[in-house]
Amino acid sequence: GAVVSQHPSRVICKSGTSVKIECRSLDFQATTMFWYRQFPKQSLMLMATSNEGSKATYEQGVEKDKFLINHASLTLSTLTVTSAHPEDSSFYICSATHWGGPNTEAFFGQGTRLTVV
Amino acid sequence: GEDVEQSLFLSVREGDSSVINCTYTDSSSTYLYWYKQEPGAGLQLLTYIFSNMDMKQDQRLTVLLNKKDKHLSLRIADTQTGDSAIYFCAESIAGGSQGNLIFGKGTKLSVKP
Repeated sequence: GAVVSQHPSRVICKSGTSVKIECRSLDFQATTMFWYRQFPKQSLMLMATSNEGSKATYEQGVEKDKFLINHASLTLSTLTVTSAHPEDSSFYICSATHWGGPNTEAFFGQGTRLTVV
Repeated sequence: GEDVEQSLFLSVREGDSSVINCTYTDSSSTYLYWYKQEPGAGLQLLTYIFSNMDMKQDQRLTVLLNKKDKHLSLRIADTQTGDSAIYFCAESIAGGSQGNLIFGKGTKLSVKP
């Protein structure tokens, strides 16, 4: 199947700094990418949907100024956690899809474990 | 709002069958999915079922859908230690796209030798 690469897999940062997470589709053009957040023992929660070349659509309760999403090309989307705080520590995972109508499969990255100290 | 519920843990012996259950609330869901998450890895799509079906079989995997009760199950036959992982049930809420999904909390399957 298609490959989605997410980098870094783990990152530790100091409180107040910003962290950028990359999501790349390696062998297909991802017209749409999705960013999820997973807290321990919780489900994945959709944070935002990004379409190539346009602004991301954020889910209710997700601060767009804190979680900056850029989807400048068909193979790359980035999530920047700005001014990170310990409560932002979580597992972030992206998925990418080439929109082809119903049942178009989305492929997931391996996730990024963010720890803010 | 939409909600997907599944039990958090399941323990079985190697060679037995595993059945992971899931309930959902959105009756307009068109597709329902099962994903597998191994430690440190992303989600892997295992199988899916269209809402007008009641059963789908794929090798060792059998998906049963009771649309009236909004109940979905995943049966793994001849469970192996390599099947140990977290299994997520998910429903699509955007016309079948796997992008916008509502996930359950995941069921951790432990397979004992």
